[in-house]
Amino acid sequence: DQQVKQNSPSLSVQEGRISILNCDYTNSMFDYFLWYKKYPAEGPTFLISISSIKDKNEDGRFTVFLNKSAKHLSLHIVPSQPGDSAVYFCATRGKAGKSTFGDGTTLTVKP
Amino acid sequence: GAGVSQSPRYKVAKRGQDVALRCDPISGHVSLFWYQQALGQGPEFLTYFQNEAQLDKSGLPSDRFFAERPEGSVSTLKIQRTQQEDSAVYLCASSLGRRGANYGYTFGSGTRLTVV
Repeated sequence: DQQVKQNSPSLSVQEGRISILNCDYTNSMFDYFLWYKKYPAEGPTFLISISSIKDKNEDGRFTVFLNKSAKHLSLHIVPSQPGDSAVYFCATRGKAGKSTFGDGTTLTVKP
Repeated sequence: GAGVSQSPRYKVAKRGQDVALRCDPISGHVSLFWYQQALGQGPEFLTYFQNEAQLDKSGLPSDRFFAERPEGSVSTLKIQRTQQEDSAVYLCASSLGRRGANYGYTFGSGTRLTVV
């Protein structure tokens, strides 16, 4: 049973508009929730995180929202830029530091 | 170095051959993780080191997989008698440790293993 699910394999948005990437999880025992961005032939790059005791964290164009009752996490990118085109992974992180990843959503931002 | 370095970048192995994958973490990073990423999927946890101690190896798929980090810095993931299902990208990541939990991992570029 997959503990972290990203139900949309792909998302396409116009440059300047908002991108919303979604993630659902099943286990409530995680300390942190994270988003990573991955370009082809590179390893994932850490983007932004949120503690399980918060419901929002913002860093520039990126905002992560956590809805604990729904076990749902989302990443908002505003405004979207062509350079944001990549695969985005949602991940959880427990006390031991081990992370569980979703299967990713491929974001395409069209100029 | 400035980032996590993995070698080789690509490895083609004949079925049954042993392989060794190397990871050079960021200097001073206490925690080191190995992940396996199959095509079209997210990274799957293999094993975790804190300094030289292997604290979790629950993700290693079989006893053909072995990892070590003898001096608490460089780590090697060894796969014995490779099988076709071992074909994947093997990612190494390091982090400062529990205090750095909110900053995420720093990943290397991975080693793409193809077993033929």
